[in-house]
Amino acid sequence: KNEVEQSPQNLTAQEGEFITINCSYSVGISALHWLQQHPGGGIVSLFMLSSGKKKHGRLIATINIQEKHSSLHITASHPRDSAVYICAVRRTSGSRLTFGEGTQLTVNP
Amino acid sequence: DTEVTQTPKHLVMGMTNKKSLKCEQHMGHRAMYWYKQKAKKPPELMFVYSYEKLSINESVPSRFSPECPNSSLLNLHLHALQPEDSALYLCASSQVDMISYNEQFFGPGTRLTVL
Repeated sequence: KNEVEQSPQNLTAQEGEFITINCSYSVGISALHWLQQHPGGGIVSLFMLSSGKKKHGRLIATINIQEKHSSLHITASHPRDSAVYICAVRRTSGSRLTFGEGTQLTVNP
Repeated sequence: DTEVTQTPKHLVMGMTNKKSLKCEQHMGHRAMYWYKQKAKKPPELMFVYSYEKLSINESVPSRFSPECPNSSLLNLHLHALQPEDSALYLCASSQVDMISYNEQFFGPGTRLTVL
């Protein structure tokens, strides 16, 4: 079992829909990252969380430390949101990131 | 400036070639990272430099040779690569490696093809 599990693996939505991507982890962490990767490669850091909730534009990220679970929400989705969304955790016992397998999101017009 | 830049964007090389990948940041970060990413897989950590010294080598084959000539630059020297080394190579930086909360900023990557 991977230490970081994301669901769903693939998600197709219509423009305007509310989207949720989930991340569960099984290790102690000091921070959790949500990353976005478009075709062509570059990775953009969307959020880094250690507790609670953060919002940036149409994106909202929440984390529940007790349940070892985080969600990324996209409101009013748009085709330009189509990308791979990756959850990564930084363990309390080290400095490196452990990545989930990613969620491929496709938003159709 | 909150950008990590990488050159070249694309690289095609033969198995006998020697080439280098370059990464640069001007955010004052003292930790820099090389990742390798195969298609449809998450990035895999290769190397970490902290204060210009190699702090983590994830048992990477010696045909990959990292170098950190100063706090803004990170190179990855490539020699005698194999076709299975074809991948996206991502560079990242953060303030200091060992402080657990620090955010990593990623570059756009170099798409490497080994023929």
